[in-house]
Amino acid sequence: DQQVKQNSPSLSVQEGRISILNCDYTNSMFDYFLWYKKYPAEGPTFLISISSIKDKNEDGRFTVFLNKSAKHLSLHIVPSQPGDSAVYFCAARPEGNQFYFGTGTSLTVIP
Amino acid sequence: GAVVSQHPSWVICKSGTSVKIECRSLDFQATTMFWYRQFPKQSLMLMATSNEGSKATYEQGVEKDKFLINHASLTLSTLTVTSAHPEDSSFYICSAPAAGGGNEQFFGPGTRLTVL
Repeated sequence: DQQVKQNSPSLSVQEGRISILNCDYTNSMFDYFLWYKKYPAEGPTFLISISSIKDKNEDGRFTVFLNKSAKHLSLHIVPSQPGDSAVYFCAARPEGNQFYFGTGTSLTVIP
Repeated sequence: GAVVSQHPSWVICKSGTSVKIECRSLDFQATTMFWYRQFPKQSLMLMATSNEGSKATYEQGVEKDKFLINHASLTLSTLTVTSAHPEDSSFYICSAPAAGGGNEQFFGPGTRLTVL
């Protein structure tokens, strides 16, 4: 049972425009959410996180929004750069250290 | 940030053989490490939690006798795929949580296992 879902397997955006990656979850007990970026044949690297007590967290070009009532979070990248091209995973956890990952969205930023 | 390494990065083996994958935290100690498996175009699936000094905790559906985990020290966890079969071919990734109980996890680069 996939508790964290990323329904868009791929996304293409023009350089300089905004990239919006979406993630939905089913478990209302999730209290911490993260976005990871992954290049081929490499492990994921942490990008940005948000706690369930917040609805927005911003770090430079990256902003994560959390809508708890809709069980939805999104990652906004603006402006998008070619180096942002990678697979993005959202992850969520109820408590403790166990994370559940989405299936990933492959972002391509077109120069 | 903290670094987690994995060795080997890619291994090809014959069906029926065993393969050991190492996960090391290079500049911090990790009493807990996690092993994930990723199939093509699928999410990272948690296989087991490796605990230093005690038995690993396996997720439902993961055969503990097939995927042997040993957390030998505060910086090393090993995953041994025993009697590997082609269906075990996958990308295996380990991670360790940030020291001090932080929410972040540091991931290794992954090991691609191909079983012929």
